[in-house]
Amino acid sequence: EVQLLESGGGLVQPGGSLRLSCAASGFTFSTIAMTWVRQAPGKGLEWVSTLTDGGGGKYYADSVKGRFTISRDNSKSTLYLQLNTLRAEDTAVYYCAKDVTNFVGATDYWGQGTLVTVSS
Amino acid sequence: EIVITQSPATLSVSPGERATLSCRASQNVNNNFAWYQQKPGQAPRLLIYGASTRATGLPARFSGSGSGTEFTLTISSLQSGDFAIYYCQQYNNWPRTFGQGTKVEIK
Repeated sequence: EVQLLESGGGLVQPGGSLRLSCAASGFTFSTIAMTWVRQAPGKGLEWVSTLTDGGGGKYYADSVKGRFTISRDNSKSTLYLQLNTLRAEDTAVYYCAKDVTNFVGATDYWGQGTLVTVSS
Repeated sequence: EIVITQSPATLSVSPGERATLSCRASQNVNNNFAWYQQKPGQAPRLLIYGASTRATGLPARFSGSGSGTEFTLTISSLQSGDFAIYYCQQYNNWPRTFGQGTKVEIK
């Protein structure tokens, strides 16, 4: 059974940093691209970032480029998202999701999400 | 950036009726298109990818069609568990983009 478990969310002041983690199990993590999607309170879904299986391809939304960094440790089956220079508009539930395959960019399994609140 | 426009914003349907949801992409995305369902307090669930391929375990009453810039999700006979928000997404180009969502509510 595929499981994705996010952690690391919380309350942070504007300008602060957080690191989100996503522990994966139930599939061969090292062979699949992984994605972060966020959802602000009461709003729709926003794609944030995708990282290819080997880590060589990193893609970011313009809204987070230069502030967020996606990475993975295939030996630990864990995906990360480093959030720096946080702004109020980064407040959202952050979901980790698994791509269907490396050639199909839809996401077929999602974690339960971790809430990031940026406020003073 | 490819903009995805979903319509309608809200769809009121009676149980047992058919629901048709639409998405339009601002550029050709071939068939690199997906649909998701989200219920309150839950993570999204993949329904359709490749514009028309049902996700594992998805009932046949859900179907996707379209290619290029126009896409449709059809739910042939709405059941109580289908009342939710539906999002579409293109993954042909970076950045991947979602539509703003269609809320399917009970009429």
